[in-house]
Amino acid sequence: GDSVTQTEGQVALSEEDFLTIHCNYSASGYPALFWYVQYPGEGPQFLFRASRDKEKGSSRGFEATYNKETTSFHLQKASVQESDSAVYYCALGGNTGNYKYVFGAGTRLKVIA
Amino acid sequence: DMKVTQMPRYLIKRMGENVLLECGQDMSHETMYWYRQDPGLGLQLIYISYDVDSNSEGDIPKGYRVSRKKREHFSLILDSAKTNQTSVYFCASTDGGGGAEQFFGPGTRLTVL
Repeated sequence: GDSVTQTEGQVALSEEDFLTIHCNYSASGYPALFWYVQYPGEGPQFLFRASRDKEKGSSRGFEATYNKETTSFHLQKASVQESDSAVYYCALGGNTGNYKYVFGAGTRLKVIA
Repeated sequence: DMKVTQMPRYLIKRMGENVLLECGQDMSHETMYWYRQDPGLGLQLIYISYDVDSNSEGDIPKGYRVSRKKREHFSLILDSAKTNQTSVYFCASTDGGGGAEQFFGPGTRLTVL
């Protein structure tokens, strides 16, 4: 079945550092790829999506590019802030027309001021 | 106001008791979901509902059942709760299929003693 792998379980950075969270997927079809962010005590919030190869999704300074060749959708931000501290989830959905979503295990980002 | 609500937010039950978790959405979305979230496992899909009385098992349906009698309302039922069902449960909805963003509720933290 489809799967999503997030390499980093936790990331600790200082403010203004560059962020990369790695996301790789395995799917037989052509899924849409998503990033969600979850703050303590809340549900995940949609960050952005990409639906085709080489498409870039972006929001709030975060971005990721759909790469079908490397089956990746890595999240990046040029300069993180303390307020970016949260758990980030990579997900895929809409593969072969079904309504299921598959989430990665999540990456906890801690930004130190 | 696009919103998914969940009740209750916190619940403590004893093993063997019945549990009812409720979810509502005000967006007239056809598709709704129940997930559970456990550390290191991300979000695991329990059930999908495509519309009223049209439900489908997700990846971990054992020990759970659902009910959807109105489009805006989706319930998760645990008959005779078990300690390994202690978790945080999230409801979500989407406008359409798996390529659309999901809107999540704030979650219900369930503890089964």
